[in-house]
Amino acid sequence: KNEVEQSPQNLTAQEGEFITINCSYSVGISALHWLQQHPGGGIVSLFMLSSGKKKHGRLIATINIQEKHSSLHITASHPRDSAVYICAAADNAGNMLTFGGGTRLMVKP
Amino acid sequence: GAGVSQSPRYKVAKRGQDVALRCDPISGHVSLFWYQQALGQGPEFLTYFQNEAQLDKSGLPSDRFFAERPEGSVSTLKIQRTQQEDSAVYLCASSLGGRRDPYEQYFGPGTRLTVT
Repeated sequence: KNEVEQSPQNLTAQEGEFITINCSYSVGISALHWLQQHPGGGIVSLFMLSSGKKKHGRLIATINIQEKHSSLHITASHPRDSAVYICAAADNAGNMLTFGGGTRLMVKP
Repeated sequence: GAGVSQSPRYKVAKRGQDVALRCDPISGHVSLFWYQQALGQGPEFLTYFQNEAQLDKSGLPSDRFFAERPEGSVSTLKIQRTQQEDSAVYLCASSLGGRRDPYEQYFGPGTRLTVT
């Protein structure tokens, strides 16, 4: 079973700061997902990546397959970025996702 | 088009009652997943369907949990004789690809189940 660890668990930042959330996993995967969850439960998929780097607006996700590590970066953070960010590893046997515990981000104005 | 929908959004059940949670995936999506999310934790896998076939039910916590997707579209997660530890948000997700296809998963809003 894959073990997926995220850090930090909680993060408070000032508006405009550069934010990094880290995710590590223990066994090989087919893809790594980054998800955003707002209060009330709705989950939105931000990225799915299996190599390299992806960028969407102020969000950047990177993955290092050899080191089994991924990072999510938010540039010029804004209070509306406040949410829980979850990484999830899709295993090689199928699409089953193993989730990290989430990083609760609060961006203060 | 419409996303993944789930109903009911909130359910309060007395301990021992049976409940049924419904998921309507995005039309045409082959794969459907159920996850359980306890308060303050990340979701955990329950079961996976490819079309109408339940290919993985390794995450179902007990035989009180049963899921079906008889026509390969709508799915129902049933919990019999609910217990307090079943209180959680139940999330459904669907994706376009089948097994071994790392497609993006689209999540529904979840059903928050509270067992009293």
